[in-house]
Amino acid sequence: NAGVTQTPKFRILKIGQSMTLQCTQDMNHNYMYWYRQDPGMGLKLIYYSVGAGITDKGEVPNGYNVSRSTTEDFPLRLELAAPSQTSVYFCASSQNPNGYTFGSGTRLTVV
Amino acid sequence: KNEVEQSPQNLTAQEGEFITINCSYSVGISALHWLQQHPGGGIVSLFMLSSGKKKHGRLIATINIQEKHSSLHITASHPRDSAVYICAVKVNSGGSNYKLTFGKGTLLTVNP
Repeated sequence: NAGVTQTPKFRILKIGQSMTLQCTQDMNHNYMYWYRQDPGMGLKLIYYSVGAGITDKGEVPNGYNVSRSTTEDFPLRLELAAPSQTSVYFCASSQNPNGYTFGSGTRLTVV
Repeated sequence: KNEVEQSPQNLTAQEGEFITINCSYSVGISALHWLQQHPGGGIVSLFMLSSGKKKHGRLIATINIQEKHSSLHITASHPRDSAVYICAVKVNSGGSNYKLTFGKGTLLTVNP
């Protein structure tokens, strides 16, 4: 099993550009999450989904959008990139408290 | 104040030493995770605890629900254990979405 796959691994964006961070899982997990990790801070939840067609905001949703059209995919969209969105982004999935799996992360720099 | 506090923030040890990393939380939880992140790398789940103690190889995790405290121990530490260790809790919020609240992490460096 591949687990949770994130693409791209690295990206540099200019202010105002848009992009989509891709996340796919092959474990048939219902729950999926997007977190951001800033230096010296704990991971913060951006958005989460409890199943296909259902999404909800986390702690820091501003500037982001998500969709969940299938169980496998949970893309994160940045519409107007800002320097404050420079961070490392992690996608994760779970089916129960025991089965939390993280992707390898996307390092995004906005200049 | 963070709901999840880890100590120490940084820890340097010599190979072979016994390591302890602590995690305290201020809210009711249903589960606690210990995670490992190597520099520039992804995040790997080490343990999930809701009570008692778990052991995997040289790693031991304990939790005391009454005291709202967990510890991660590493016996016979090795340079390959150098990583950031993160404590995360599932807060009792009445939901079933398994969202986690994270500590800031402990950077462990084990020197040969």
